[in-house]
Amino acid sequence: DAGVIQSPRHEVTEMGQEVTLRCKPISGHNSLFWYRQTMMRGLELLIYFNNNVPIDDSGMPEDRFSAKMPNASFSTLKIQPSEPRDSAVYFCASSRTSGAEGTQYFGPGTRLTVL
Amino acid sequence: AQSVAQPEDQVNVAEGNPLTVKCTYSVSGNPYLFWYVQYPNRGLQFLLKYITGDNLVKGSYGFEAEFNKSQTSFHLKKPSALVSDSALYFCAVRDMDSSYKLIFGSGTRLLVRP
Repeated sequence: DAGVIQSPRHEVTEMGQEVTLRCKPISGHNSLFWYRQTMMRGLELLIYFNNNVPIDDSGMPEDRFSAKMPNASFSTLKIQPSEPRDSAVYFCASSRTSGAEGTQYFGPGTRLTVL
Repeated sequence: AQSVAQPEDQVNVAEGNPLTVKCTYSVSGNPYLFWYVQYPNRGLQFLLKYITGDNLVKGSYGFEAEFNKSQTSFHLKKPSALVSDSALYFCAVRDMDSSYKLIFGSGTRLLVRP
């Protein structure tokens, strides 16, 4: 069974450009999470979807960030316009259940560099 | 406030020796605890979790963790370390105010020398 798939694995862009990160969760999982990892702040939850519906977006840094989940097998995280401080590794994770015992499985991440 | 702490930034151990990576937590109620490992340029991989039951939890790659309620700890252990175990290890606790949020520790880098 394939794990969580993310693309691209690496993205280098210039300040002001739009960036779109993509995620395919594990089949059958109904919960999807976007995280950001930086040296300074560690792992931060950006947004959580349950059954394709955004439940908690309190971690989204600002209006430049947006996320969608049009169906159970696909989600995007968009940054427009991008800024150098957005440089980080972005992870997508999925879980079979939204319950407290559910295990989150992470994708390989997208390393974003904004010049 | 709920939190998890990994008091050691780095743990060094010789191959073949036992290893321990420490984790302490602070939550209201019964904790749900997790360990993840991150290899360079990879995502986090799930190792094991404690929800309820036996205090000694066995996980992937020969790792185990012991839940100690009185000490509010959930230390990760392995009887005999391998060089390939060298990685970044994260402890996490479920945020009891929301059923889905994980609160991650800052991570501990494990270096196993040959």
